[in-house]
Amino acid sequence: GEDVEQSLFLSVREGDSSVINCTYTDSSSTYLYWYKQEPGAGLQLLTYIFSNMDMKQDQRLTVLLNKKDKHLSLRIADTQTGDSAIYFCAETSMNRDDKIIFGKGTRLHILP
Amino acid sequence: DAGVIQSPRHEVTEMGQEVTLRCKPISGHDYLFWYRQTMMRGLELLIYFNNNVPIDDSGMPEDRFSAKMPNASFSTLKIQPSEPRDSAVYFCASIDSDSYNSPLHFGNGTRLTVT
Repeated sequence: GEDVEQSLFLSVREGDSSVINCTYTDSSSTYLYWYKQEPGAGLQLLTYIFSNMDMKQDQRLTVLLNKKDKHLSLRIADTQTGDSAIYFCAETSMNRDDKIIFGKGTRLHILP
Repeated sequence: DAGVIQSPRHEVTEMGQEVTLRCKPISGHDYLFWYRQTMMRGLELLIYFNNNVPIDDSGMPEDRFSAKMPNASFSTLKIQPSEPRDSAVYFCASIDSDSYNSPLHFGNGTRLTVT
C-alpha cells in the first residue's frame, strides 16, 4: 500500500539550516504537505506543494520535490529554538478519495 | 473560528472501562477524521466520515473501537472495554472538500492513558 517514510530524529545547531527529508511510494500523489506539531498541540499545516511543482519558498521555508525519485524535503533557514517540534510529511492522491497518508514525523531538536 | 475542539484533553482510566472521546469539527467542514498517534506507529487513520456518513473504518483496530457522527457538528470515538495498549494521543481533524488544497485542521488531541 501507500507509504510515507521519514527519519525520526534530527539535531541542528541554532542558526544553521535544517533539512528534513521524506520519501513516498504513491506515484499518483497530487499534493504533498509539511505539518508541524508543537508539544501538546495538534498538527498545523506549514506549507504544501502541488505535484507539478518542484520548488516552493515561503520566508525561511523551502520545499523541494523530486517527483521522479518520490522525494520531498523541507529546509528551514536560520533555525530558531521555536522551530523545535515534530515535522510530518504527508501526501494525498485524487485516486484515494482524499485520504491523506502521514509519515511518522521527524523530531527536530535545536542545539544551543 | 474556534478550530476543531476535542474533549477531554487528558483521560486516565483503568483497564476494562469505557472511554468516550469527543470532537466538534469546524463549522462547514464536510469531512471528519479520527487519528491515533503513538511513538512506535506515528499517526494512524482510524476512521473518517463524509457528511456524517462513515466512509472508511478499515483503520479501526478492533471491535472494541466504534465511532459515530450523529450530526455535522459532533463526533465520538468510543473504546469499550479499554486496554493499556490503547494508550495514545487521539486526534480529530476536519476538512472542507470544496477547497481541495485546504489543509486538514487538527484538534489539540486527547491524551488517553489506560492503566
